[in-house]
Amino acid sequence: ETGVTQSPTHLIKTRGQQVTLRCSSQSGHNTVSWYQQALGQGPQFIFQYYREEENGRGNFPPRFSGLQFPNYSSELNVNALELDDSALYLCASSFRGPRPTGELFFGEGSRLTVL
Amino acid sequence: ILNVEQSPQSLHVQEGDSTNFTCSFPSSNFYALHWYRWETAKSPEALFVMTLNGDEKKKGRISATLNTKEGYSYLYIKGSQPEDSATYLCALDFGNEKLTFGTGTRLTIIP
Repeated sequence: ETGVTQSPTHLIKTRGQQVTLRCSSQSGHNTVSWYQQALGQGPQFIFQYYREEENGRGNFPPRFSGLQFPNYSSELNVNALELDDSALYLCASSFRGPRPTGELFFGEGSRLTVL
Repeated sequence: ILNVEQSPQSLHVQEGDSTNFTCSFPSSNFYALHWYRWETAKSPEALFVMTLNGDEKKKGRISATLNTKEGYSYLYIKGSQPEDSATYLCALDFGNEKLTFGTGTRLTIIP
């Protein structure tokens, strides 16, 4: 158990809809990263939040957006869903400080199916 | 686009046998290399974070080496057990834990 929880675990949407995925980070962690794992691929970095601000973004369009809250939990929002957005979305938390371990702690993911 | 390649894509190993697989990458200009174990229906679990050329790390029956000059890392499992069945992912960290993952090696241990 990593202490990182994600919700919902599974959901089905239709093209054009919007979705919000949620992540509670491990206690004491101040950084949250989101990854997308499409079928047959490794996880791909979407973006990272540190101190409630976006701190780096992968090759994803602006319809992928996020938030980090004062308690360091986070949301991933995807607008105008496309079929290719069907994937497992992983949240990972970590601690950035004077002596970071570099280790990420992942949740079990939210599986999104877009029809 | 940086390609982190893992081989083989999948393998089956008899219980008790030892095995190893590879993570290769074209660049040595990264901060760290990570190995994760990902069991079905669970979350990826960190095994090792390696930063130095020649680094060797060990956790129980699992160990890993890193060669940044030739662009590869090996993961070894000694005396495979059924609980070792999982997908093993490697990833490069270019700083601040923004990881570039390979596609993984899916390991199945045959009892």
